[in-house]
Amino acid sequence: GNSVTQMEGPVTLSEEAFLTINCTYTATGYPSLFWYVQYPGEGLQLLLKATKADDKGSNKGFEATYRKETTSFHLEKGSVQVSDSAVYFCALSDQEGNQFYFGTGTSLTVIP
Amino acid sequence: DAGVIQSPRHEVTEMGQEVTLRCKPISGHNSLFWYRQTMMRGLELLIYFNNNVPIDDSGMPEDRFSAKMPNASFSTLKIQPSEPRDSAVYFCASSRGHAIRNEQFFGPGTRLTVL
Repeated sequence: GNSVTQMEGPVTLSEEAFLTINCTYTATGYPSLFWYVQYPGEGLQLLLKATKADDKGSNKGFEATYRKETTSFHLEKGSVQVSDSAVYFCALSDQEGNQFYFGTGTSLTVIP
Repeated sequence: DAGVIQSPRHEVTEMGQEVTLRCKPISGHNSLFWYRQTMMRGLELLIYFNNNVPIDDSGMPEDRFSAKMPNASFSTLKIQPSEPRDSAVYFCASSRGHAIRNEQFFGPGTRLTVL
C-alpha cells in the first residue's frame, strides 16, 4: 500500500545551519508529494508541493525535489532561523487522488 | 477570511460521555477533512467529505465515531461513548475542488481529554 516514512526527530540546529529532513515514500504510479509545517499551537499549513517526477517545490527558503528513482522528497533549507522551529510533515496523495497520507512528523528546534 | 474555525478548542470529559466537535470550513471550499493527531499514531485521516457527501470514512476507528456535514458551512464529529484512548487533538481541514491533493487549510484543532 501507500505510505510515507520520514526521519525521526527531534532535530536541533543552531541558527544559520543547513537543514535536511529525509522523506521516502511507497506508492504505485505517480503520487503527489507535499511538505506541511505545524507551528506550536497551530494547525498544519502547506509549505510546498510537487506533483510530478523531477519537480522542485520551494517556499520560504525551503526546497524539496521529487525523486522517483529514489522514491524520495527530502526537505532542505540552506540557513535555518529560530522562526523555523516547528514540526514538519511529509505527505503523499495517491495517483488517483483518493487517499492522503501523512508521515509521523519531524520536530525541528533552532537555537540562537 | 477567518480560516477554518473549530470549537471547542479544548474539551475535557469523562469516559462514557458524548463529545461533539464542530467545524466551519472556509467559505467556498467544498472538501472537508477530519484528522486525529496523537503522539503514538501521528496524524490520521478519519473521514473526508466532498460537497457535503462522505467520500471515504475508512479511517474512522470504530462505530463510536460518527461525522456529519449537513450543509456546506458546518460539520460535526461525534464520539459516543468516549473512552480515554480517544484523547487526542482533532483537526478539521478544508480545500477547494474535489481532488484530495489540493492544498488543505487546517483549523487550530480541538484538544480532547477523556478522563
